[in-house]
Amino acid sequence: DIQMTQSPSSLSASVGDRVTITCRASQSIRSYLNWYQQKPGKAPNLLIYSASTLESGVPSRFSGSGSGTDFTLTITSLQPEDFATYHCQQSYTSPTFGQGTKLEIK
Amino acid sequence: EVQLLESGGGLVQRGGSLRLSCAASGFTFSNYAMSWVRQPPGKGLEWVSAISGIGSNTYYADSVKGRFIISRDNSQNTLHLQVNSLRDEDTAVYYCARGGWGSYRGGGIDSWGQGTLVTVSS
Repeated sequence: DIQMTQSPSSLSASVGDRVTITCRASQSIRSYLNWYQQKPGKAPNLLIYSASTLESGVPSRFSGSGSGTDFTLTITSLQPEDFATYHCQQSYTSPTFGQGTKLEIK
Repeated sequence: EVQLLESGGGLVQRGGSLRLSCAASGFTFSNYAMSWVRQPPGKGLEWVSAISGIGSNTYYADSVKGRFIISRDNSQNTLHLQVNSLRDEDTAVYYCARGGWGSYRGGGIDSWGQGTLVTVSS
């Protein structure tokens, strides 16, 4: 199985900040990388697929980049509703998820 | 509007079985691969299984292979997951999900149910 490693596991930030979350694959997954946001007690919500394509309805302050083994999710100008847990997922082979990154209010 | 509604979760003894179901609406069900994804309490997400749109191909995580069976009834717009030989580590919220295999959304999952909790007791 392809292992996905997210960093950091948690981070604190303030409204208006720019934050970056990293996801690293144990082998090349080309651009088969997806990002999700999950709030407590709720199902995940797709933000970005194929590494950089914004899902319909997702605010443009979210962006993704990368290919091969290294990927990033960037949120510019954090809003109060962005404080949540973020998951990456590879879909190159049998899907696997990263362990999640919890974004908390500073 | 896409809706996915799971049912069938509950408390089951170690070694027992359950059948999870997911009623889909708001889209042409047979056009999409479907998946089950689970999340143990307080932990991350784990993809469990997927099935192609017409049901001819099925895929499983190694952790459940040989114990779980995914199926679908396109005439009833329903997805199922038969979970057998349950272990403590199978305790989780099980989500029904659209996508998760193939080219749609690059293999991403664009719709999720609310989840159904399976608790394995000893």
